[in-house]
Amino acid sequence: DTGVSQDPRHKITKRGQNVTFRCDPISEHNRLYWYRQTLGQGPEFLTYFQNEAQLEKSRLLSDRFSAERPKGSFSTLEIQRTEQGDSAMYLCASSLAMGTSGASYNEQFFGPGTRLTVL
Amino acid sequence: AQSVAQPEDQVNVAEGNPLTVKCTYSVSGNPYLFWYVQYPNRGLQFLLKYITGDNLVKGSYGFEAEFNKSQTSFHLKKPSALVSDSALYFCAVSPDTGGFKTIFGAGTRLFVKA
Repeated sequence: DTGVSQDPRHKITKRGQNVTFRCDPISEHNRLYWYRQTLGQGPEFLTYFQNEAQLEKSRLLSDRFSAERPKGSFSTLEIQRTEQGDSAMYLCASSLAMGTSGASYNEQFFGPGTRLTVL
Repeated sequence: AQSVAQPEDQVNVAEGNPLTVKCTYSVSGNPYLFWYVQYPNRGLQFLLKYITGDNLVKGSYGFEAEFNKSQTSFHLKKPSALVSDSALYFCAVSPDTGGFKTIFGAGTRLFVKA
């Protein structure tokens, strides 16, 4: 399967612990997105990479959140000192876009998500 | 503020009847518009998009959508619904005025009854 994969699929942690999620995009895709989705809501944009550069970060992303895409391939999203409000589905998506600026008119391919539960 | 609205939490339709799932948006500039579908325990899947040109776009599984610039709407339609179309549908917009954010609506659950 050459789609977007995410690991783990589920994570249960205690408040105050750190967690890290991984996303492997479709190999030829240069853009990678992270979203958060809570019940009854659509995906909320968190951050975006063009190759290895993090080009945009939502104001929703507090200092406890950090994302990397070190070699322009896979990406990690780390949440430090988790809080119960962080409980959500974390989605990763990738797309192929021409150029380095501006909105992409190419569709995004989503992974299955990582469901985080903070106790 | 840029936003996407899906005014109906749920749409119920009988199998074989036409369906419409509504979406309106508020963005600056010209939007790129998308519809995605989410089945239970599956990731979001792309259905169709509007970039430019013909206001009626066709997508996967017999779905189509009509872009109306004056009403800032992008309603999803299908002439004859199937039970297997039952899922959660998301409208999304990506403004062309720079930036990379894609804004999603809250979703509409489609229930097709046999």
